[in-house]
Amino acid sequence: EPEVTQTPSHQVTQMGQEVILRCVPISNHLYFYWYRQILGQKVEFLVSFYNNEISEKSEIFDDQFSVERPDGSNFTLKIRSTKLEDSAMYFCASSVFETNTGELFFGEGSRLTVL
Amino acid sequence: DAKTTQPNSMESNEEEPVHLPCNHSTISGTDYIHWYRQLPSQGPEYVIHGLTSNVNNRMASLAIAEDRKSSTLILHRATLRDAAVYYCILRPLTGGGNKLTFGTGTQLKVEL
Repeated sequence: EPEVTQTPSHQVTQMGQEVILRCVPISNHLYFYWYRQILGQKVEFLVSFYNNEISEKSEIFDDQFSVERPDGSNFTLKIRSTKLEDSAMYFCASSVFETNTGELFFGEGSRLTVL
Repeated sequence: DAKTTQPNSMESNEEEPVHLPCNHSTISGTDYIHWYRQLPSQGPEYVIHGLTSNVNNRMASLAIAEDRKSSTLILHRATLRDAAVYYCILRPLTGGGNKLTFGTGTQLKVEL
């Protein structure tokens, strides 16, 4: 069964460093997303991406965050200057359609620890 | 977004049916009811969705009240692998973006 894959599974970084989290969405999917989950809290939407541009973003997704689809397969989330509060699980997801009846497929997540 | 209310936790015995309730009294006519679950240390996973009629798939059944103000996710025979947090989420057919808004969900514990 096709799946969304994420790397790294765990990254430890120092505050102020740049971090790039990588995702390979399912190959025929067109819509891509990043969500995050701070330990013990809800899963929160960060950003959605379609046709090489951001289609929607949350208040969390400020200027420190950026997304990119550098080639035909990868989808990346960059955090320019990490803060302690960026420590969380980051989940990538993809879907075939931008329909609110469709399902999102999530990866297993990348755990980011900022020291 | 219309709000959903779920119990914080439920318990079940293995191989017994589980009924997970969700109240959504402010649901609008075009809101779809989606269920996702999150197994420990994993990303969310789609379970099922519906609009008005009851729905079945290989994972579960979704029973939707006639007035659509509540729904129930039914796991017909719970297994240990079904221990997870189950989220009931409303998604508008149009507008509202393509994002999922997760609540706190119901933590399902399954015992032998």
